[in-house]
Amino acid sequence: GAVVSQHPSRVICKSGTSVKIECRSLDFQATTMFWYRQFPKKSLMLMATSNEGSKATYEQGVEKDKFLINHASLTLSTLTVTSAHPEDSSFYICSAGTRSDTQYFGPGTRLTVL
Amino acid sequence: GEDVEQSLFLSVREGDSSVINCTYTDSSSTYLYWYKQEPGAGLQLLTYIFSNMDMKQDQRLTVLLNKKDKHLSLRIADTQTGDSAIYFCAEIRGSTLGRLYFGRGTQLTVWP
Repeated sequence: GAVVSQHPSRVICKSGTSVKIECRSLDFQATTMFWYRQFPKKSLMLMATSNEGSKATYEQGVEKDKFLINHASLTLSTLTVTSAHPEDSSFYICSAGTRSDTQYFGPGTRLTVL
Repeated sequence: GEDVEQSLFLSVREGDSSVINCTYTDSSSTYLYWYKQEPGAGLQLLTYIFSNMDMKQDQRLTVLLNKKDKHLSLRIADTQTGDSAIYFCAEIRGSTLGRLYFGRGTQLTVWP
């Protein structure tokens, strides 16, 4: 149980385009989903916390207009990287949880912006 | 400092024990976690410990927590080549539930 999926697993796009990444909890309802970004050889950086039906809470330094998060249902959250640039290339990982003590992570999405 | 600190690399021989250390920042952290990441993959929760515990054992994994020093360790007994991965410690900070802050990860390499 407690499986989280992400789609797509890899995406390559041209600079200036927007990319949407989906995060789904497959066998449980997630009241809260989290989006992280991981740079090579670096830690995961929490970008934002989203609760179903409400606006996401962004961490300091994360541009909310650049990284649009929608949490429309208890099983789906989406991250849209708008007007992507090469510096947005990264590994994006979502997690989902129902309690404060446990989060389940998705397999990640590798974004490459040319 | 503000960062969760981990040593970056650890190499052990198959069958030996591995000990991965972590220093966290928030003395009021309620939960501390160990995650495993294999190449190109997401994170797998290995274990977690509640802040009122000193030790937690789960099969080959032993977690030790020293709250006074804000030090967390993960011991893997009888390390196998399949244990080769990056191991992250993480803490929950702040009043918003579930906000995890990670260390940079320790690359564990197990030699046959």
